[in-house]
Amino acid sequence: GDSVTQTEGLVTLTKGLPVMLNCTYQTTYSPFLFWYVQHLNEAPKLLLKSSTDNKRTEHQGFYATLHKSSSSFHLQKSSVQLSDSALYFCALSDTNAYKVIFGKGTHLHVLP
Amino acid sequence: DMKVTQMPRYLIKRMGENVLLECGQDMSHETMYWYRQDPGLGLQLIYISYDVDSNSEGDIPKGYRVSRKKREHFSLILDSAKTNQTSVYFCASSLYNTGGSYEQYFGPGTRLTVL
Repeated sequence: GDSVTQTEGLVTLTKGLPVMLNCTYQTTYSPFLFWYVQHLNEAPKLLLKSSTDNKRTEHQGFYATLHKSSSSFHLQKSSVQLSDSALYFCALSDTNAYKVIFGKGTHLHVLP
Repeated sequence: DMKVTQMPRYLIKRMGENVLLECGQDMSHETMYWYRQDPGLGLQLIYISYDVDSNSEGDIPKGYRVSRKKREHFSLILDSAKTNQTSVYFCASSLYNTGGSYEQYFGPGTRLTVL
């Protein structure tokens, strides 16, 4: 069945450094990939989405490129801020499908 | 401003009691969801509702049921709650985008503790 894998449970780094959060997926359908961000005691919110192969999508300083050849949609930022500390979920949906499959999430902890 | 609301935000129940979690949305979205979130397990789908009285089981429906009598409201019911149903429950609604995706909007969550 369809699945999403986020290999890191926790990523800790210092403010100003670059970050990459890994996301790979498995599906036999045409994929739509999402990144959701959840700050402490808040609801998850959509950060990025893409279904276009090899096209970079950006929002709020974060960016990701869907690579269908490697089934990946890694989230990156060139310089993390303290406010980026949160739980990040990668999610997969089939185009025009109601159901979304979430990865287990990666906690990003940014140190001063 | 598009919004999903959940009531109550915090709830403590004893094992065996019935639990009703309420969700509302003001966006006229057809599709709504109930998830539970546990540490290290991410978001697990309990039920999907495609519209009024059109509901489908998600990945972990056992011990739960739902009700949707109006498009704006979606309820999650636990009949005879169990301690392993202690969790944070999120409701979401989704909007179809012309690009082909269902973008989800989440409520603030309900923290349920079953003693």
